[in-house]
Formats: sequence, C-alpha cells, structure tokens
Amino acid sequence: AQTVTQSQPEMSVQEAETVTLSCTYDTSENNYYLFWYKQPPSRQMILVIRQEAYKQQNATENRFSVNFQKAAKSFSLKISDSQLGDTAMYFCAWTGNQFYFGTGTSLTVIP
Amino acid sequence: DTAVSQTPKYLVTQMGNDKSIKCEQNLGHDTMYWYKQDSKKFLKIMFSYNNKELIINETVPNRFSPKSPDKAHLNLHINSLELGDSAVYFCASSQGDRNTEAFFGQGTRLTVV
Repeated sequence: AQTVTQSQPEMSVQEAETVTLSCTYDTSENNYYLFWYKQPPSRQMILVIRQEAYKQQNATENRFSVNFQKAAKSFSLKISDSQLGDTAMYFCAWTGNQFYFGTGTSLTVIP
Repeated sequence: DTAVSQTPKYLVTQMGNDKSIKCEQNLGHDTMYWYKQDSKKFLKIMFSYNNKELIINETVPNRFSPKSPDKAHLNLHINSLELGDSAVYFCASSQGDRNTEAFFGQGTRLTVV
C-alpha cells in the first residue's frame, strides 16, 4: 500500500529560526515525485516545493529546501529564516496514480 | 484568471437535502480530483477523473456522485446529506503526469445541520 507519514502533528518555531518537518513514504516504485504543500488559514493549498525521485540533488526554493533520502524513503522540509506568514498546515505528498497526502503538520511561527 | 474554481465557497444545508458543488479548471489538464478534508485536516481522495472517465473511486458512499460534462468540469453531487458529510471539499486538477503538481480550488466548506 502506498502511504505517506508525517509524524509531527504540531510544531512551532521562533521567527527567523530554522525548522524541519519530517515525512516518510512507502512505495515499491522507483520513479515518482514528491511534493510539499502549504495550507494557510485561508485554506488554499499552495505548492511549496517539488522533488523528482531520480534526482539526487535536493530541491531548493528560496528559504525552503528538502532533504531527500531515497533509500530511507524520507523527504523532510527545511524552512530557514521562518516568517510569520509561514504559519500553516504543511502536507507532504507522493504521486503514484493519484496524489497521496500525509496527515499534515501544523506549524506555528512565534513572533 | 483563477486556475481551479469551485462554487460555492460555503454551503450550509439541512440533513436530508441534496446539494451540488461545481468545479471548473482552465488549465487544460486531463485529470481532476475531489478530496474531502475532515476536521482533523486529513485529505482523503474521493474521486479522480481522467478525460471524463472515472479512474479512482475510493470507498465513498454512493450518495456522492461525480459528474464530468467535459474535461474542464468535475461537479460533485451529494444526495441525502448527513451530519458526517460536514467537511471541506477540494477540487483539484493536474496534467496527469506524475511530475506535475496538483492545482487546488479554494475549497467548499459544507456544513450539514
């Protein structure tokens, strides 16, 4: 079965600090894609970052970067220089024949 | 221009009623989805349509029926609404290739009273 696990239901970080959100997944496939989505209180789902499984280089988008460990099936998100606007639910997702989402991590950035 | 639009954004209705949520995407995508997000924020796939054909139907009560008149639209009709149907429903679309992101509508908050 394809599953995505986010083991941290809630996290908090001081403004300007760095935080890492964990995600693991389970698949027998070799070629797939991973995503992190952000859902702020407005409830709009926003793509944060994408990683191709065949690429060893970790994806980076401004303050957001991932640590992709394919053998360990781990895909964590690092947010640097946290800002108040980063407060949101964060969902890890894996694509097979559909998007499989994790249970989410609620991140609060503290002023 | 809004890429994926859902209407209405909010829907309050009584138990037993029938309601519909509309979804349209202007991205030219081949695949559209309906997700249900419960009070714990879990996102569960309900339906997936590829070129107007249903390709996934998770264990959803048959009171829920998707209708796709064309590949730009995927509407969700719900019969005999129950209290447990209260949730946020998201429509999304993607190109269907695994390397493309899913674009989401703004969600419809359904409240059954």
